[in-house]
Amino acid sequence: DAGITQSPRHKVTETGTPVTLRCHQTENHRYMYWYRQDPGHGLRLIHYSYGVKDTDKGEVSDGYSVSRSKTEDFLLTLESATSSQTSVYFCAISGRERVNNEQFFGPGTRLTVL
Amino acid sequence: GENVEQHPSTLSVQEGDSAVIKCTYSDSASNYFPWYKQELGKRPQLIIDIRSNVGEKKDQRIAVTLNKTAKHFSLHITETQPEDSAVYFCAASIYAGNQFYFGTGTSLTVIP
Repeated sequence: DAGITQSPRHKVTETGTPVTLRCHQTENHRYMYWYRQDPGHGLRLIHYSYGVKDTDKGEVSDGYSVSRSKTEDFLLTLESATSSQTSVYFCAISGRERVNNEQFFGPGTRLTVL
Repeated sequence: GENVEQHPSTLSVQEGDSAVIKCTYSDSASNYFPWYKQELGKRPQLIIDIRSNVGEKKDQRIAVTLNKTAKHFSLHITETQPEDSAVYFCAASIYAGNQFYFGTGTSLTVIP
């Protein structure tokens, strides 16, 4: 599964609390992504990173921030969680040498905001 | 930005029949088109992809076709089996930017 892990795998939190999700890869891929998956919407990009300290917004970035201080780690932070952020969050990676475009997904994190 | 539309949203076929899922995209600069299969509770898994310099690609029972002029691409699954039941996503990407734009998914049910 392309050496990509996410933590935690499940989390229940309350509205207004901060939450950080972690994505870790061991494949030295250049690009890392955070998506959320909701019924009827498919996979929607929240933020992505094209290198250490280089990040950009996706289509649903409001309420989320990210950081990438090392090649292998990409953190997604919900500064003040809301019920609308209840979702399944997937991290993905791509950009391995000679197979630049192939994108691989982590196992997902199920987040419930009460 | 890129807009990817996927049809149908649900599809039921008898075991052994073929299934076809279609996607359209809007940005002519897109040049990489992967397909993912997602089983219930699991992560999306890449099953086949095609680049814009190729019109068709096959891998055993699955194939993908691309029509760059019409900006659409399709997934074909032949001799369907119950284990093909899953949600399938198409996506489009521009190589240089490496952003991926996904369709909303097709839930395929293969009836034994």
